[in-house]
Amino acid sequence: DADVTQTPRNRITKTGKRIMLECSQTKGHDRMYWYRQDPGLGLRLIYYSFDVKDINKGEISDGYSVSRQAQAKFSLSLESAIPNQTALYFCATSDARGRSGELFFGEGSRLTVL
Amino acid sequence: QKEVEQDPGPLSVPEGAIVSLNCTYSNSAFQYFMWYRQYSRKGPELLMYTYSSGNKEDGRFTAQVDKSSKYISLFIRDSQPSDSATYLCAMSSSGGYNKLIFGAGTRLAVHP
Repeated sequence: DADVTQTPRNRITKTGKRIMLECSQTKGHDRMYWYRQDPGLGLRLIYYSFDVKDINKGEISDGYSVSRQAQAKFSLSLESAIPNQTALYFCATSDARGRSGELFFGEGSRLTVL
Repeated sequence: QKEVEQDPGPLSVPEGAIVSLNCTYSNSAFQYFMWYRQYSRKGPELLMYTYSSGNKEDGRFTAQVDKSSKYISLFIRDSQPSDSATYLCAMSSSGGYNKLIFGAGTRLAVHP
């Protein structure tokens, strides 16, 4: 089983709908992240959490919210989806003790908003 | 101007070729430099990590950092079809903070 699991892997929805993307990890890491990947723009940070009580906005948080339900679970919500939120979304984790700052990514959730 | 610039390619090379992938950056505070490899329909995985300037070699892969020119490179020797992937550079000013800034990624295809 994957260490970082994202559900759903693919989702097609309509404008205005509420969408939740879920992430769970078995790596035991405290730090979790949500990134968005768009062609030509690379990976951009939406939100990050260093522990259950810590939530921080990234560079593109508008239109998104997150919930850290437990150390191992971090979900991303789109309250009212719009077409320009069509993208590939990645959850990632990292070890606070790791000097390199290596991120461990899930396999991604492809979201299409019609 | 983006903080990190990376040519998206695609780059197509024959098997056995030497591949050079590059990124430039504008923030002189960056000290931690990484290369991630992303296969199709997968998440990125860390390939190489370098702190500050210099070279680092791992098998067929060599990462170079030139902080004076704000330029980093990844060289792949004896490229293989299995190297076909998107390569993303990433960098940060603080390794512990994990606020990585990613390049757009370069798509590489190695054909037999």
